[in-house]
Amino acid sequence: GENVEQHPSTLSVQEGDSAVIKCTYSDSASNYFPWYKQELGKGPQLIIDIRSNVGEKKDQRIAVTLNKTAKHFSLHITETQPEDSAVYFCAATDSGYALNFGKGTSLLVTP
Amino acid sequence: NAGVTQTPKFRILKIGQSMTLQCTQDMNHNYMYWYRQDPGMGLKLIYYSVGAGITDKGEVPNGYNVSRSTTEDFPLRLELAAPSQTSVYFCASRPGLKGFWDTQYFGPGTRLTVL
Repeated sequence: GENVEQHPSTLSVQEGDSAVIKCTYSDSASNYFPWYKQELGKGPQLIIDIRSNVGEKKDQRIAVTLNKTAKHFSLHITETQPEDSAVYFCAATDSGYALNFGKGTSLLVTP
Repeated sequence: NAGVTQTPKFRILKIGQSMTLQCTQDMNHNYMYWYRQDPGMGLKLIYYSVGAGITDKGEVPNGYNVSRSTTEDFPLRLELAAPSQTSVYFCASRPGLKGFWDTQYFGPGTRLTVL
């Protein structure tokens, strides 16, 4: 089955700096790659996603890039703010029934 | 819309007890999911459903059962609680109409402790 590796497990940045979280996947048939943000005590919430026919997608301060050849995708957050502090999960699927999640990255943005 | 709601928010069970975690969505979504989240381990799929009357096992189904009698409700049953089932449980749903992945919405979670 699909295996999704996520790095780093923890990340600390200063406010205003950029943060990058990287994921790799094993199944070349995967074609949908969402990113979720989970704040303390809450359920995960979709923040951005990308499909395999697109190499990059941006939404304000957040961007995701996909390299199908290398089977990896990354989340980029620019101009980080304290409210960006949360756990971020990447996921991948081949459009079957289930998302396969990475183990998460705990991001801390310090003022 | 309330989205995906889960009850209870917290529960402590004794070993061997049973309970049902409730999940309801008011978005008329076809697909519903149950995940468990253990510290540092991400989200593991327990069971899922593609519509009323249809359920299937995920990655970690042992010790759990589900049913889907209506579009809105997808309860998760623990029959004989074990300490290994201590976890945070999330229910999720998505429309599932387009033939490809659409946005999956999560509930707020149920924190379960088995002692």
